[in-house]
Amino acid sequence: DTGVSQDPRHKITKRGQNVTFRCDPISEHNRLYWYRQTLGQGPEFLTYFQNEAQLEKSRLLSDRFSAERPKGSFSTLEIQRTEQGDSAMYLCASSFATGTNQPQHFGDGTRLSIL
Amino acid sequence: GQQLNQSPQSMFIQEGEDVSMNCTSSSIFNTWLWYKQDPGEGPVLLIALYKAGELTSNGRLTAQFGITRKDSFLNISASIPSDVGIYFCAGQLMWGSQGNLIFGKGTKLSVKP
Repeated sequence: DTGVSQDPRHKITKRGQNVTFRCDPISEHNRLYWYRQTLGQGPEFLTYFQNEAQLEKSRLLSDRFSAERPKGSFSTLEIQRTEQGDSAMYLCASSFATGTNQPQHFGDGTRLSIL
Repeated sequence: GQQLNQSPQSMFIQEGEDVSMNCTSSSIFNTWLWYKQDPGEGPVLLIALYKAGELTSNGRLTAQFGITRKDSFLNISASIPSDVGIYFCAGQLMWGSQGNLIFGKGTKLSVKP
């Protein structure tokens, strides 16, 4: 059973550069979520997709952030013109949406460090 | 924004002791989840609760969905060194987003052998 996979695991970049992260959800899961986690805090919701449709975006998702899930399978999260405050762990989760609630399962995240 | 109050913030216990932690909110939730996170890794699901009053066990772990829908607790019995980590509660609002899990700030558990 393959879990949620995220790539890369670590990314170090200079302020002002663009970065892109990839998430591959559990194969049968139709919902995919992005969260951000800073040191000492719990994950904070950014956005989620059901299949290829982006259904919700948090206020945290500024216009420098964009997420896609073009074929309803893997997803990418891009941050343009990175800032110091973007340094965080970016977590992806997936679940299978049915008539009943199904829990979200997380990947191991991409840790972003902005120099 | 919505917040979950998770306590205690940290715990230092002796191996073999029981542990209890909880989450409270002023809002009503329809789902409570408990996760454990080790350094450098993502949160791992421990227990999921979907009904008010529900009591669910997973090995030495027991969690309950509060009857008011505003709180949940997690108990760990007979702690062992591998229980070390950060435990997060997470909830989904009764009247809110279908995707948005709200997390507590975590309880950091340290176990002395």
